[in-house]
Amino acid sequence: DTAVSQTPKYLVTQMGNDKSIKCEQNLGHDTMYWYKQDSKKFLKIMFSYNNKELIINETVPNRFSPKSPDKAHLNLHINSLELGDSAVYFCASSPRLGTGSYEQYFGPGTRLTVT
Amino acid sequence: GQQVMQIPQYQHVQEGEDFTTYCNSSTTLSNIQWYKQRPGGHPVFLIQLVKSGEVKKQKRLTFQFGEAKKNSSLHITATQTTDVGTYFCAGLFGGNTPLVFGKGTRLSVIA
Repeated sequence: DTAVSQTPKYLVTQMGNDKSIKCEQNLGHDTMYWYKQDSKKFLKIMFSYNNKELIINETVPNRFSPKSPDKAHLNLHINSLELGDSAVYFCASSPRLGTGSYEQYFGPGTRLTVT
Repeated sequence: GQQVMQIPQYQHVQEGEDFTTYCNSSTTLSNIQWYKQRPGGHPVFLIQLVKSGEVKKQKRLTFQFGEAKKNSSLHITATQTTDVGTYFCAGLFGGNTPLVFGKGTRLSVIA
């Protein structure tokens, strides 16, 4: 069983389009994240949700909108895609904040290419 | 903002040589984690260090957390080709602040 899954694995689209990436975790974790990894492999957090509530929203353009329908799912919708959005997007989850155990489990990633 | 500096950015070693990557923060960390990302893969959690001066070992990997909880290192003894990948440290500064990743050290091992 895959602990953290993401769909799609690859996404190729044109500038100006709107796209969504879905993430699901079956670990029973309360906290989920979206990260962006650019071509230089830098990992940057975008959003964090704890039990469906947004707790971290880094300086991300408001074209990016996360949605958490329940604590096992965190989706990412991107409007008006730009060339600079091309990257690998990772979803991750971790146990509840405050448990002392903060290791994060990453999904396989979604490689987004905007042409 | 809070940053975790990681060096070197790249390291090429002959198989059998040792390898070390270092992380530093200007402020005290509540804990530090290490992750490995194989080429084309996703980051995989290796270990978490919490206590000042903590040392943990996993087979050929040795992880250290500095006494001041501002620096950490990962040392691999006698590298193998299976060690290839990017190693990230990630620091937690406490409270609800997010995990801050270093920029990673990309390790190449030449057989």
